[in-house]
Amino acid sequence: QSALTQPASVSGSPGQSITISCTGTSSDVGGYNYVSWYQQLPGKAPKLMISEVSNRPSGVSNRFSGSKSGNTASLTISGLQAEDEADYYCSSYTSSSTPYVFGTGTKVTVL
Amino acid sequence: EVQLVESGGGLVQPGGSLRLSCAASGFTFSNYWMHWVRQVPGKGLVWVSRIRSDASITTYADSVKGRFTISRDNSKNTLYLQMNSLRAEDTAVYYCAREGSVVDFDYWGQGTLVTVSS
Repeated sequence: QSALTQPASVSGSPGQSITISCTGTSSDVGGYNYVSWYQQLPGKAPKLMISEVSNRPSGVSNRFSGSKSGNTASLTISGLQAEDEADYYCSSYTSSSTPYVFGTGTKVTVL
Repeated sequence: EVQLVESGGGLVQPGGSLRLSCAASGFTFSNYWMHWVRQVPGKGLVWVSRIRSDASITTYADSVKGRFTISRDNSKNTLYLQMNSLRAEDTAVYYCAREGSVVDFDYWGQGTLVTVSS
């Protein structure tokens, strides 16, 4: 099972919106609505930001939103803030023998 | 407050063994699937293994199948990962994570570092 494909880095200025893509196949992202997104601050454990493609857990800022089209899921961060600077990973359930796969990760830089 | 605290990491020689533990608190441990996820420092997350709430189902990544064993003790609210025949490529931070209600990982521990080196 190959990792889902994410851009290595995305950057934006404070207040701008950025979008991170997560591309898989019909066996994972395209086949299930079980796509989730995680934020990992330097030296910290990952934190769930989006589940089931577009649902925000309690306590997560509404500046974070998720969507999916075909085999590609996306995470959008609007009103970018310095505290959003982190690594972001997508994850999907899969039909393969390895039932979960993560994305390659995207480093978000706030300029 | 949900808490997951891993322990048991350290330096081990290639071919050696190590057992990781994850102590859970703040929720009814016996109701949840639990997972292990690892991360080579500076690299991405990789799913390793899962275990059903009643321990009746276990699943492994191909890279660890036959070498790692996941287990749990619901009376002690603790998750385990027995790692045998360790290789240099198993070097990573190992996280335990709780599976939420919609096939996600809603809580994570702080991780424990496993280094396989001679």
